[in-house]
Amino acid sequence: NAGVTQTPKFQVLKTGQSMTLQCAQDMNHEYMSWYRQDPGMGLRLIHYSVGAGITDQGEVPNGYNVSRSTTEDFPLRLLSAAPSQTSVYFCASSYARATDGYTFGSGTRLTVV
Amino acid sequence: EDQVTQSPEALRLQEGESSSLNCSYTVSGLRGLFWYRQDPGKGPEFLFTLYSAGEEKEKERLKATLTKKESFLHITAPKPEDSATYLCAAHTGFQKLVFGTGTRLLVSP
Repeated sequence: NAGVTQTPKFQVLKTGQSMTLQCAQDMNHEYMSWYRQDPGMGLRLIHYSVGAGITDQGEVPNGYNVSRSTTEDFPLRLLSAAPSQTSVYFCASSYARATDGYTFGSGTRLTVV
Repeated sequence: EDQVTQSPEALRLQEGESSSLNCSYTVSGLRGLFWYRQDPGKGPEFLFTLYSAGEEKEKERLKATLTKKESFLHITAPKPEDSATYLCAAHTGFQKLVFGTGTRLLVSP
C-alpha cells in the first residue's frame, strides 16, 4: 500500500516555464487536495477535489490549475512559473468524513529562478 | 477569518521532561481538530482527530485534549525520537483545513 505518491521530489524551473506536479493515491479516497508550505506560514490550500470530475479553489489558487479525471490521480499544473511559487507542495487525500485525518505525500520542493 | 495559532514556536526539552504544546483556534463551525507530526523533508503524519470539547486521545507518550477555544498536545517523558514539528489544523468545513505554523520540538538526550 503506497499511500500518496508525489513526483518529482525536487524541481527547478525558470520563470515563465510550465510544469505538472503529479499526485496519485491508492487508498480509494474520495477527497484529494494540494497545499503549499512556506517558511513561517501554515500549510495553505491551493485546490481540492471531492471526486472525479469535481474540483474547486482553495485559499491560494492563482497561477495553478487542476483536474481530476480519475479517483487515483490529481495533478497540479503551474501555468507560468513565478519566483513567488517557490515552495514545498504537498498532496493529501482522505475519505469523505476525514475521521482518520488526511494522508499526505512526501512533497515536491519547487524552486523558480 | 478562520485562524489557528500555535505556541510556542520552538521548544527544547531534555529527555524525560514533560511539557505541552498549545493550539488556539478561532473558526466558524469547527468540524474537527487535527494534530500532525512532520519530520524534516517529509509530509505531515496524522496523529489525532478531536471532535468535541472535553475529548481526549492518547498515543504512546502523546495525549491530545480539546476545549472550545484551544487544544493541547501533552508530551509525557519525551524521547529524542519525538523531535519533530507538530502541526495542528482546524477542519472548518468541506475540505477546508486551516493549519497553524507549527511547534518545532527538540528533545535532547
